[in-house]
Amino acid sequence: KAGVTQTPRYLIKTRGQQVTLSCSPISGHRSVSWYQQTPGQGLQFLFEYFSETQRNKGNFPGRFSGRQFSNSRSEMNVSTLELGDSALYLCASSLHSNQPQHFGDGTRLSIL
Amino acid sequence: GESVGLHLPTLSVQEGDNSIINCAYSNSASDYFIWYKQESGKGPQFIIDIRSNMDKRQGQRVTVLLNKTVKHLSLQIAATQPGDSAVYFCAEGRTSGSARQLTFGSGTQLTVLP
Repeated sequence: KAGVTQTPRYLIKTRGQQVTLSCSPISGHRSVSWYQQTPGQGLQFLFEYFSETQRNKGNFPGRFSGRQFSNSRSEMNVSTLELGDSALYLCASSLHSNQPQHFGDGTRLSIL
Repeated sequence: GESVGLHLPTLSVQEGDNSIINCAYSNSASDYFIWYKQESGKGPQFIIDIRSNMDKRQGQRVTVLLNKTVKHLSLQIAATQPGDSAVYFCAEGRTSGSARQLTFGSGTQLTVLP
């Protein structure tokens, strides 16, 4: 069974731009969560989607948003990029919220 | 200002020895705990999980111990191998309705010496 797939793997943007990251969960998994990983803050929860509905949200500004499609694929969007948004963005999927989350290899976003 | 990187605790063990990685959690309401392994350039890989109604769970070469009294979690790896070198994260979760949110620790860098 294929794992969680995130695209693109690497992305370079400049301040003020916006970016969309994509995540395809493991087949059959309906819960998708997004995390930001930085050397300074570690792994921080962004939000969780289940059946196209956001069920949980972390402590991030409104510039960070996401959505989930009917096939469980998810996208996250960051608008008005700041230097501090440079990070590894990780997506994790699980069968249900109370099952272990399985991570993709992330999208490395660099802001110049 | 420039952000300072997390200073990861480190653990070095000889190949073949057992490793014990410790984690303190903060929320007494957490009812689920999970260990992940992250190798360089990859996402976290699920190792083992445990619910709060248990105090021990075993997998293949790994054992997780949970002490709710002191809010402490440990991961034991038997016969550590070079491929076990990675950063290990513990995470605590609290189930609210049908949703569960994970909070991750800062990680421990495990290095296996030949």
